[in-house]
Amino acid sequence: DQQVKQNSPSLSVQEGRISILNCDYTNSMFDYFLWYKKYPAEGPTFLISISSIKDKNEDGRFTVFLNKSAKHLSLHIVPSQPGDSAVYFCAASSYGNNRLAFGKGNQVVVIP
Amino acid sequence: KAGVTQTPRYLIKTRGQQVTLSCSPISGHRSVSWYQQTPGQGLQFLFEYFSETQRNKGNFPGRFSGRQFSNSRSEMNVSTLELGDSALYLCASSSGRGRGRGIETQYFGPGTRLLVL
Repeated sequence: DQQVKQNSPSLSVQEGRISILNCDYTNSMFDYFLWYKKYPAEGPTFLISISSIKDKNEDGRFTVFLNKSAKHLSLHIVPSQPGDSAVYFCAASSYGNNRLAFGKGNQVVVIP
Repeated sequence: KAGVTQTPRYLIKTRGQQVTLSCSPISGHRSVSWYQQTPGQGLQFLFEYFSETQRNKGNFPGRFSGRQFSNSRSEMNVSTLELGDSALYLCASSSGRGRGRGIETQYFGPGTRLLVL
């Protein structure tokens, strides 16, 4: 049962433009959400997170938006850079629980 | 601070054998979680250890087990290996102080690539 879903498995974007990645979840008990970036043959690298008490969190070029009523979050990368080419995973956990549920990932390719 | 380290990085085993993977968390982190990544199932939670005790477990058979030592280092063991156990095994550490108080970010190691022949 996939509790975290990432549709549109791949995304190509021009350098300098915005990349938008979407994530939907089904478990209403989730209250902490994270985005990770992963290069081949490496472990996931933490990018940004958001708690359910917020609807937006920003860190440099990365912004995560959370819409609790729609059970939807998105990651915006502005501007996109060639080094951003990687697989991006959305993950979620419940309050006081370290068990992360992951989406299947989105492949992002930034074209120079 | 050094990141999460995992050994070995690559491993080849045959069916029926057992394997032990090791993980050293970030210094000061007391919680260690293990995940399995396969092309078909994606990233799936195996278990979490905190203060040498397993406090959360995923939906994997009993062939998958783990332990944590007093220095927070952790090992996971897979017995009677099957072809389907071929995967990237990832370890993640976090401070462990978040339980009951909310958010806690997990930081991942590079993983151990296991191939079962």
